[in-house]
Amino acid sequence: DAGITQSPRHKVTETGTPVTLRCHQTENHRYMYWYRQDPGHGLRLIHYSYGVKDTDKGEVSDGYSVSRSKTEDFLLTLESATSSQTSVYFCATHDVGEKLFFGSGTQLSVL
Amino acid sequence: GENVEQHPSTLSVQEGDSAVIKCTYSDSASNYFPWYKQELGKRPQLIIDIRSNVGEKKDQRIAVTLNKTAKHFSLHITETQPEDSAVYFCAARGSYIPTFGRGTSLIVHP
Repeated sequence: DAGITQSPRHKVTETGTPVTLRCHQTENHRYMYWYRQDPGHGLRLIHYSYGVKDTDKGEVSDGYSVSRSKTEDFLLTLESATSSQTSVYFCATHDVGEKLFFGSGTQLSVL
Repeated sequence: GENVEQHPSTLSVQEGDSAVIKCTYSDSASNYFPWYKQELGKRPQLIIDIRSNVGEKKDQRIAVTLNKTAKHFSLHITETQPEDSAVYFCAARGSYIPTFGRGTSLIVHP
């Protein structure tokens, strides 16, 4: 597998608290993505990045923000977590024309 | 943007049978079509992919076919085994953003 590490692997938090998930890659891939996975919905794109400081919204971006200050790190922030954001979050990366690789995922529970 | 439809959502087969999962896409500019397998509690992992200049690709018991005119592609698994039980996702990608189908839960009964 490509060197993609997500942290934390599991997190339980309370409604209204800020949460940051981290994706770290050692592949020097240009493109990075955050997806959420929910039963019956598959993998839905939250935000993506096509280079350092270059990010854009996906189909389910409301309530989320991202930052990419270095090639290897892509952070996903929930400014004020809600129960609807309970999900499994996957980071994925690829380079130009290359295959997409996923991190191990973060299970987030918002109580 | 791209829209990917995947069917069926659940597929139950007997060990040794074949399984077929179908996907359609909307953007004619899409040129890369990967398939991912996700076992329970694990990350999605690429099992096979096809590019738009190829009509079919095989890898042992797995094959993917692509019909660009009709904008659909399919995953074929022959001689299914219990370890093939998983959720399978198709995806379509044009310039760089991949769009996924909703997944098919394949259950192979021994």
